[in-house]
Amino acid sequence: AQSVTQLGSHVSVSEGALVLLRCNYSSSVPPYLFWYVQYPNQGLQLLLKYTSAATLVKGINGFEAEFKKSETSFHLTKPSAHMSDAAEYFCAVSRETSGSRLTFGEGTQLTVNP
Amino acid sequence: DTGVSQDPRHKITKRGQNVTFRCDPISEHNRLYWYRQTLGQGPEFLTYFQNEAQLEKSRLLSDRFSAERPKGSFSTLEIQRTEQGDSAMYLCASSPGQPGEYYTFGSGTRLTVV
Repeated sequence: AQSVTQLGSHVSVSEGALVLLRCNYSSSVPPYLFWYVQYPNQGLQLLLKYTSAATLVKGINGFEAEFKKSETSFHLTKPSAHMSDAAEYFCAVSRETSGSRLTFGEGTQLTVNP
Repeated sequence: DTGVSQDPRHKITKRGQNVTFRCDPISEHNRLYWYRQTLGQGPEFLTYFQNEAQLEKSRLLSDRFSAERPKGSFSTLEIQRTEQGDSAMYLCASSPGQPGEYYTFGSGTRLTVV
């Protein structure tokens, strides 16, 4: 079975500060890992994905994530938060043997303060 | 192609009524997925199709739920005898079906059962 744990259901940062959203996964085989962002009443938009190539993955809007197998982590970071980054962020894991279906974490609501 | 389309965006129905949602995936994507998302939670997998074949159904998909993808293109999700617990956002996504390929999500259908 595979699962995802997102530490911190709410994270608040000041504009311009570092954003760090934590994700730990559990998977019996090498996983594919994803970060999605969701704005209110919208679907999910892909930020970035890890598919066993480079361990440091760069995504859209200045976000990046590092796959650390020893820590089973895939934390999302952005050096400088912008007001428009306020949204809900979901980490997800999939593997081909499960039909590539995604298992999501419970999400982290990011608030950016002026 | 403008992405994954879902219709309607919002649906309010009385308990006990039947509802049907439609999803139009990206045309070249052969996999289609349905997820349900309740407030404050990550999306939960319901079912997926490879072309017209429904390959997996979650235990969340009770007998009142049925999904079809008759010609491997659009899909419908029907809920019979709706209950208040069915109130949620229903998300559709499609993917090319290759390992590690990311999903493209629709904007969802928000169902409210009163």
